[in-house]
Amino acid sequence: SQQGEEDPQALSIQEGENATMNCSYKTSINNLQWYRQNSGRGLVHLILIRSNEREKHSGRLRVTLDTSKKSSSLLITASRAADTASYFCATDPYNTDKLIFGTGTRLQVFP
Amino acid sequence: GAVVSQHPSRVICKSGTSVKIECRSLDFQATTMFWYRQFPKKSLMLMATSNEGSKATYEQGVEKDKFLINHASLTLSTLTVTSAHPEDSSFYICSGGWGVQNIQYFGAGTRLSVL
Repeated sequence: SQQGEEDPQALSIQEGENATMNCSYKTSINNLQWYRQNSGRGLVHLILIRSNEREKHSGRLRVTLDTSKKSSSLLITASRAADTASYFCATDPYNTDKLIFGTGTRLQVFP
Repeated sequence: GAVVSQHPSRVICKSGTSVKIECRSLDFQATTMFWYRQFPKKSLMLMATSNEGSKATYEQGVEKDKFLINHASLTLSTLTVTSAHPEDSSFYICSGGWGVQNIQYFGAGTRLSVL
């Protein structure tokens, strides 16, 4: 399977704490993206990091990419209860218009 | 951000009936539309990729006669689940791809329950 792996599968934290999710993938990529999914809803694009970038920030989100290890991490700082959702990484491989989604991390932030 | 409208959000049908799900890109022209299936607490499974005016490309193991995809215009793609059975019950999500960075914009999903 080409599907990426994410860990942890589930993460529970208190409001104000930081949440870190990791993603590993298998192929060479153009970019890597992170998406968020609220329960029973579609996915929302959060942030994209290109293959020649190592780190990117957007608000409380920080994404890193290590192409030599084929891995990425998403850090959410100062988490809020509203951050409760599932988070998926998705890779954009060469020579295809498909995205390959990871297995997802279910984040629960307790008030 | 770009908006994709998916309809209906929920459908309950009897076994043997066909169900059509619509996916519209409202404020952009999606070069490609994607259809996914998602099982509870699982990741998205790509079913097929469709481009306007051409036949959809199905992923391995997805029956094209079972899941009919029509992409009649740059803003509309439909998925028809033909002769639905209880095992087809699932959450179906569409997305529209746009731009060289291949960001996808997702519909809100359709929960199909086949009795």
